[in-house]
Amino acid sequence: GAGVSQSPSNKVTEKGKDVELRCDPISGHTALYWYRQSLGQGLEFLIYFQGNSAPDKSGLPSDRFSAERTGGSVSTLTIQRTQQEDSAVYLCASSSQFGMNTEAFFGQGTRLTVV
Amino acid sequence: DAKTTQPNSMESNEEEPVHLPCNHSTISGTDYIHWYRQLPSQGPEYVIHGLTSNVNNRMASLAIAEDRKSSTLILHRATLRDAAVYYCIRTTIPYGGSQGNLIFGKGTKLSVKP
Repeated sequence: GAGVSQSPSNKVTEKGKDVELRCDPISGHTALYWYRQSLGQGLEFLIYFQGNSAPDKSGLPSDRFSAERTGGSVSTLTIQRTQQEDSAVYLCASSSQFGMNTEAFFGQGTRLTVV
Repeated sequence: DAKTTQPNSMESNEEEPVHLPCNHSTISGTDYIHWYRQLPSQGPEYVIHGLTSNVNNRMASLAIAEDRKSSTLILHRATLRDAAVYYCIRTTIPYGGSQGNLIFGKGTKLSVKP
């Protein structure tokens, strides 16, 4: 597809279970970002990647959260031992080049509900 | 820390221009100003960005103050579809990175009245 694709679009999980959220960026985009947005709130930055490396992990809320990117393409955000406060929409974005003179394209997000 | 300040909300009438302000008084010489908007139940979408000069595109205009401590997003004729939260973002290179990061603040919720 032409845009950023995220899967699943919706995920309901039981408290304490692990979940994996996937992001397929636009082909060729080197930068990839993860955010989460709780109901009625703004976007909270989680992590970003340059290629396969993540220079800035400061936004990850706890050590239950981790992310990886392989082959400079697909990224996976993993949440271990999910808690109810992890319920949110998780958004992924990608952009085409290093530097700040570029635009980022967002996916439609994964809505995670922890019950 | 988004490092930008925007009003929480603004109202506009349909077909009238809208000026959305943003303060970024601690901006550095290499920081770009980006604007994104988020329509209800959708992911954010890019609107415009600039460094020093005013910028125009099909969606909007961006006016950047000469001292770069503030900017204004201009929607020339608001439509009902422009009702969204508008985010002004100062992209900053974090230590050790060469890719500018996008840190969102709370944004301005724009309402458009018919």
